[in-house]
Amino acid sequence: DQQVKQNSPSLSVQEGRISILNCDYTNSMFDYFLWYKKYPAEGPTFLISISSIKDKNEDGRFTVFLNKSAKHLSLHIVPSQPGDSAVYFCAASQDAGKSTFGDGTTLTVKP
Amino acid sequence: NAGVTQTPKFQVLKTGQSMTLQCAQDMNHEYMSWYRQDPGMGLRLIHYSVGAGITDQGEVPNGYNVSRSTTEDFPLRLLSAAPSQTSVYFCASRPPATYGYTFGSGTRLTVV
Repeated sequence: DQQVKQNSPSLSVQEGRISILNCDYTNSMFDYFLWYKKYPAEGPTFLISISSIKDKNEDGRFTVFLNKSAKHLSLHIVPSQPGDSAVYFCAASQDAGKSTFGDGTTLTVKP
Repeated sequence: NAGVTQTPKFQVLKTGQSMTLQCAQDMNHEYMSWYRQDPGMGLRLIHYSVGAGITDQGEVPNGYNVSRSTTEDFPLRLLSAAPSQTSVYFCASRPPATYGYTFGSGTRLTVV
């Protein structure tokens, strides 16, 4: 049973527009949520996180929203840039040291 | 600062062989984890450690052993390689106070 799901395998947006990546989870005990970005042949890079006690966290062009009642979080990238093209993973943490990852969404930003 | 260093970057094994994937970090991070990523899938947790001498199993621990004798090193041992263990392996570390992991660049393992 997959506890963290990213239902869109891919997303394509125009440069300058908003990118919205979505993530759903089933385990209500998760207390921290994270987004990672991954380029080919590299390890994932931590992007932004949010605690379960908050509903929004912003860092420059990146904003993560958390809707606990719906068990849903989203990552907004505004404005999108070609360099943002990568695979984005949603992850959730419950116990110390353990993070559960979704399958990823491939974002393509077209010039 | 080297961050998280994984060796080797590529490895081909024959079924039944054993080997150790090395992972070292120079950031004095207490938490370390091993993940595997299969094509089109996310990262699945194999084993993790919250400090030297402490390890625990993740989602897919079968066929793998770990030990954590120092803060810096967290090797992953494949006991008897199987084709199902063909994957990209990532090691990661973080301090307890933050939740974002720093990942190594991965080891691409093929078992034939």
